[in-house]
Amino acid sequence: QVQLQESGPGLVKPSQTLSLTCTVSGGSISSGSYYWSWIRQPAGKGLEWIGRIYTSGSTNYNPSLKSRVTISVDTSKNQFSLKLSSVTAADTAVYYCARENGGSCFDPWGQGTLVTVSS
Amino acid sequence: DIQMTQSPSSLSASVGDRVTITCQASQDISNYLNWYQQKPGKAPKLLIYDASNLETGVPSRFSGSGSGTDFTFTISSLQPEDIATYYCQQYDNPWITFGQGTRLEIK
Repeated sequence: QVQLQESGPGLVKPSQTLSLTCTVSGGSISSGSYYWSWIRQPAGKGLEWIGRIYTSGSTNYNPSLKSRVTISVDTSKNQFSLKLSSVTAADTAVYYCARENGGSCFDPWGQGTLVTVSS
Repeated sequence: DIQMTQSPSSLSASVGDRVTITCQASQDISNYLNWYQQKPGKAPKLLIYDASNLETGVPSRFSGSGSGTDFTFTISSLQPEDIATYYCQQYDNPWITFGQGTRLEIK
């Protein structure tokens, strides 16, 4: 079955750009009517949807983050990526990638990766 | 954007109890509502999609109902392994929002 795995630096300095990659295995990122999303969760808090990309390259972003977020896809590597610019301590969170089925529900999810913003 | 108000924020119940969590949308979202279970240190797991459909492999003690703005998630007989935080999620696209979560504990 399809599995997702996040990767990237666990520590980012304030004002810099957070960069994460999600590698999809067990299936092609281009197959089916799926979107590919990023979701984050600060420690002890709830879930926040960051944005999604379709394999055509079309994207949607959370309006609260839109000015700082870029999501891209590399179908040749079966990966999609997140860039979040001008980070602050408020961006410290566990970041999840997930497959979004037809723009509705998230399944499966990656295991999550903790990113800490600190100097 | 659509706000999701989930209640209660925490809940303590005994094994075998019937447990109910509610989620209210700030506007009509039809049945565009999913429920997830998250255990500590783990990614959320989809339990219910489209308000009332049980995901494959999920025990039948879990159920969901509702449409429009008011939704309910029920565990018919609480089991020890159900201890987790539960989230609702709306998908009245293009934006996605989650409820604040309900932490479920054993009494």
